[in-house]
Amino acid sequence: GQNIDQPTEMTATEGAIVQINCTYQTSGFNGLFWYQQHAGEAPTFLSYNVLDGLEEKGRFSSFLSRSKGYSYLLLKELQMKDSASYLCAVRDGIGSGGSYIPTFGRGTSLIVHP
Amino acid sequence: DAMVIQNPRYQVTQFGKPVTLSCSQTLNHNVMYWYQQKSSQAPKLLFHYYDKDFNNEADTPDNFQSRRPNTSFCFLDIRSPGLGDAAMYLCATSPGRADNEQFFGPGTRLTVL
Repeated sequence: GQNIDQPTEMTATEGAIVQINCTYQTSGFNGLFWYQQHAGEAPTFLSYNVLDGLEEKGRFSSFLSRSKGYSYLLLKELQMKDSASYLCAVRDGIGSGGSYIPTFGRGTSLIVHP
Repeated sequence: DAMVIQNPRYQVTQFGKPVTLSCSQTLNHNVMYWYQQKSSQAPKLLFHYYDKDFNNEADTPDNFQSRRPNTSFCFLDIRSPGLGDAAMYLCATSPGRADNEQFFGPGTRLTVL
């Protein structure tokens, strides 16, 4: 099984940078995902990391350290529309003893104010 | 546009009255998933299908059943809804096993009176 931990809520100012952390404990590891979910809507895929390091995609970047069981999502030049929940999800393996389906964390609710 | 569609978006049912939620996809993906998400909680996987191969999560209550008559459609049946089953139900798809992205539908919000 997995244990995924994220802060419950964060606030930030429009135009600023925010870092949302995720720590996990798994028996195996085969990828970490970040999804964005606006209130009352479906999650949408943001990023996937399976190797250590930083993946950059426009204003959003995601970092992974497998040895530390740690990831963060970095959002730059925050906009009001970035107010949403950010879900970290971890896949613990593929094949015997592991599931190819990610397990989601509870999400971090980000509030961006003017 | 290729997409994942869920109907209805909002469903109200009475305690104990069976209800069916539907999901369709135009992506031609092999894998379809049903998740339950309660307020401020993580989406919880109920079932998934890899093609016609049905996979039930160990802790999914027997009250929940699923059908996938063809590639495009998948149904979630709740035989006797209780107040605790009120939640958002999310359908998702992926092309195959171990793909790196799931595509979610807009969800059906179920209210149980």
